[in-house]
Amino acid sequence: DARVTQTPRHKVTEMGQEVTMRCQPILGHNTVFWYRQTMMQGLELLAYFRNRAPLDDSGMPKDRFSAEMPDATLATLKIQPSEPRDSAVYFCASGLGTGSYGYTFGSGTRLTVV
Amino acid sequence: KQEVTQIPAALSVPEGENLVLNCSFTDSAIYNLQWFRQDPGKGLTSLLLIQSSQREQTSGRLNASLDKSSGRSTLYIAASQPGDSATYLCAVRWDSNYQLIWGAGTKLIIKP
Repeated sequence: DARVTQTPRHKVTEMGQEVTMRCQPILGHNTVFWYRQTMMQGLELLAYFRNRAPLDDSGMPKDRFSAEMPDATLATLKIQPSEPRDSAVYFCASGLGTGSYGYTFGSGTRLTVV
Repeated sequence: KQEVTQIPAALSVPEGENLVLNCSFTDSAIYNLQWFRQDPGKGLTSLLLIQSSQREQTSGRLNASLDKSSGRSTLYIAASQPGDSATYLCAVRWDSNYQLIWGAGTKLIIKP
């Protein structure tokens, strides 16, 4: 089965350090979402790409977060500098067309900032 | 404000029972509504999608209904099995906005 691959699966880092999370969408998918999940806030949309172009990143704290798709096989989410409140599970999802139905989610990156 | 609420937050039932999970939403002008399943440490799996013009969708032992006028959707699971244990999330898309608004989920435990 085709899968969305996220790396790393787990990341523990100290406050102030840069964190980079990577996502390999399913080959041929043209839409990529980044979500963040916490117990308090649930699932939050951070960014959305269509054909590698960012269409909406209004959910991201712009001063520290950045999301890019350097090519069709890689999406990255960077946090610099990281803060303890960034601790969460970050999910990437890819698919075709609008909406999330039929989208495939990765297993997530569990980030802990100490 | 467009919000999605799921009650209860957790549910534990014996194996074999039929059960209903609830999802309520503000603003009846939805585009579609989806039910997802999330296993611990895993991503989300889409279970059922209901378009605004539909009243229900079925997949195997799962049946999702939609009542826009009352702002409610239910996910019915028939003959529950321990493998159904997971967190079930409801997500609503309003109008043509691509963004999904998520409920907090219901954690379901099926006891053998």
